[in-house]
Amino acid sequence: DSGVTQTPKHLITATGQRVTLRCSPRSGDLSVYWYQQSLDQGLQFLIQYYNGEERAKGNILERFSAQQFPDLHSELNLSSLELGDSALYFCASSAQVGYNEQFFGPGTRLTVL
Amino acid sequence: GENVEQHPSTLSVQEGDSAVIKCTYSDSASNYFPWYKQELGKRPQLIIDIRSNVGEKKDQRIAVTLNKTAKHFSLHITETQPEDSAVYFCAVLSGGYQKVTFGIGTKLQVIP
Repeated sequence: DSGVTQTPKHLITATGQRVTLRCSPRSGDLSVYWYQQSLDQGLQFLIQYYNGEERAKGNILERFSAQQFPDLHSELNLSSLELGDSALYFCASSAQVGYNEQFFGPGTRLTVL
Repeated sequence: GENVEQHPSTLSVQEGDSAVIKCTYSDSASNYFPWYKQELGKRPQLIIDIRSNVGEKKDQRIAVTLNKTAKHFSLHITETQPEDSAVYFCAVLSGGYQKVTFGIGTKLQVIP
């Protein structure tokens, strides 16, 4: 157990819908990363937050947004869902930015029908 | 942006043999190179990492080497065991706020 929690574990929804994925980092970690893992794309970095502020952006679609709250938990919002958004979404946390090990949560499996 | 290529995509070795996975990157400013192991149905876990001011790092049967001039780094696993079977991802962190780029992954199978 990495200490990072993600909810829900599984999510099944329809195209066009909106969902929110939640992540709680390890106690004391200030940095949260979001990743998308699909079979043909590997692990794609989406976005990083540090102590409530967005710090780095990867291949995140405009339909997706995220935020980190004062209690350091983070939410990833996915809207206007498409079939291709079906994937495993991981969040990871680290103590700070930079040369720090990232601890991954168990992931949220999103299925868009 | 950063481009990371990882080879091979699949690798089968006999138990006890060595396995080598190589990654190349494009951004010379990249400064941190972790390797993650992901077992089937589980989360990625860090197995070893190296910083840009170090050429080699070893941890028991696992080692990573970095060639900054050629912009490539490699994971070496010696005396492989069946429990080493997993998907291995390299990653590259660059930029002041650590944008992360992962390789496509290597599926390693260790045959008993």
